[in-house]
Amino acid sequence: EVQLVESGGGLVKPGGSLRLTCAASGFTFSDAWMSWVRQAPGKGLEWVGRIKSKTDGGTTDYAAPVKGRFSISRDDSKNTLYLQMNSLKTEDTAVYYCAIGDYVNYWGRGTLVSVSS
Amino acid sequence: DIQMTQSPSSLSASVGDRVTITCRASQGFSNYLAWYQQKPGKVPKLLIYAASTLQSGVPSRFSGSGSGTDFTLTISSLQPEDVATYYCQKYDSAPYTFGQGTKLEIK
Repeated sequence: EVQLVESGGGLVKPGGSLRLTCAASGFTFSDAWMSWVRQAPGKGLEWVGRIKSKTDGGTTDYAAPVKGRFSISRDDSKNTLYLQMNSLKTEDTAVYYCAIGDYVNYWGRGTLVSVSS
Repeated sequence: DIQMTQSPSSLSASVGDRVTITCRASQGFSNYLAWYQQKPGKVPKLLIYAASTLQSGVPSRFSGSGSGTDFTLTISSLQPEDVATYYCQKYDSAPYTFGQGTKLEIK
């Protein structure tokens, strides 16, 4: 069974940093392109970024609002995906979902990040 | 970057109605388009990918069509359990932008 479990969310002050973790199981993680998607309270879905598999280059792409502040990485030996978030802004407040692929057939349950002073 | 605009933003229809939601792209692209359903408090669910391919287990009353800049999601006969917000997403190349969502209610 495919499982994605996010962790690392919490309350942080504007300008602060946070690292989210996604523990994956039930599929060949090293072959998968992985994405992060967020949803602000009461708002729509927003694609955050994606990392390709290492065999496909391992490159990353980001949405414009987070480019230069967020960084996605992966540890295939641990079946784990990361989202490093720096220079956080209040508008980054959202539930952050870990997801498999470009179009998403599997989602984690999400982890809430709140940015507030 | 290509922008994705859904219409309408909200929709109220009766049980049994045929419902159509449109997703328009600011530039044309191939059929790398997905549709999702999100019920309140739940994780999104994939309905359709490649513009028209029904995800396994999704009721056949859902269908997708379109290419280029205009894509549609159709529910052939609206059921009470279809109350949800629906999103389109392009995934031909990054950024994999979502539409802003269409909230569907029962009249």
